[in-house]
Amino acid sequence: GAGVSQSPSNKVTEKGKDVELRCDPISGHTALYWYRQSLGQGLEFLIYFQGNSAPDKSGLPSDRFSAERTGGSVSTLTIQRTQQEDSAVYLCASRFDRGGYTFGSGTRLTVV
Amino acid sequence: AQSVAQPEDQVNVAEGNPLTVKCTYSVSGNPYLFWYVQYPNRGLQFLLKYITGDNLVKGSYGFEAEFNKSQTSFHLKKPSARVSDSALYFCAVRDADRGSTLGRLYFGRGTQLTVWP
Repeated sequence: GAGVSQSPSNKVTEKGKDVELRCDPISGHTALYWYRQSLGQGLEFLIYFQGNSAPDKSGLPSDRFSAERTGGSVSTLTIQRTQQEDSAVYLCASRFDRGGYTFGSGTRLTVV
Repeated sequence: AQSVAQPEDQVNVAEGNPLTVKCTYSVSGNPYLFWYVQYPNRGLQFLLKYITGDNLVKGSYGFEAEFNKSQTSFHLKKPSARVSDSALYFCAVRDADRGSTLGRLYFGRGTQLTVWP
């Protein structure tokens, strides 16, 4: 597609449930990044993919968070046993080689 | 380690007046600096970047930023603010394009700009 697509745009889940957030990058973009935006916290780096591998997972806040990327394209961020502090906007960005970054519109996650 | 500071959480300016959104940075090598804007319920939109060359960088929507190496600053400016400029602005510095962190962006906390009519 023309841009980075994220789904769902909004997700409300009960505490303790698992959620999956999807990012569909621009076709051909080899690098993919996940960020989390919490109120008053700015953007927090979560994980970076180059192709299907994740050289940098240093931003994942706990072992409840995981992510994968398949076929060098779509990425899924999974949060297990969600907690209220996981409520945030999750942003995905993709990039081709050393080019510019394109961000998706994000998934707003609310844990109730 | 790379880091970015945006010292102001909020900036308020009257329409037609000049605006400045401040950003300072810390990097271990040459800085690659960016400004992004976020409108409500939208993703980040690219405004401008500094990689090398002229210290004054011009970007989208009439914005510009001045790279100042001695002060490690990259302030965003616009000569005449518009109400439609009201949004959340993020400054970012990029990690080097090498190794495991290839091109990771480090963001400031954001500055909410409000332009009142």
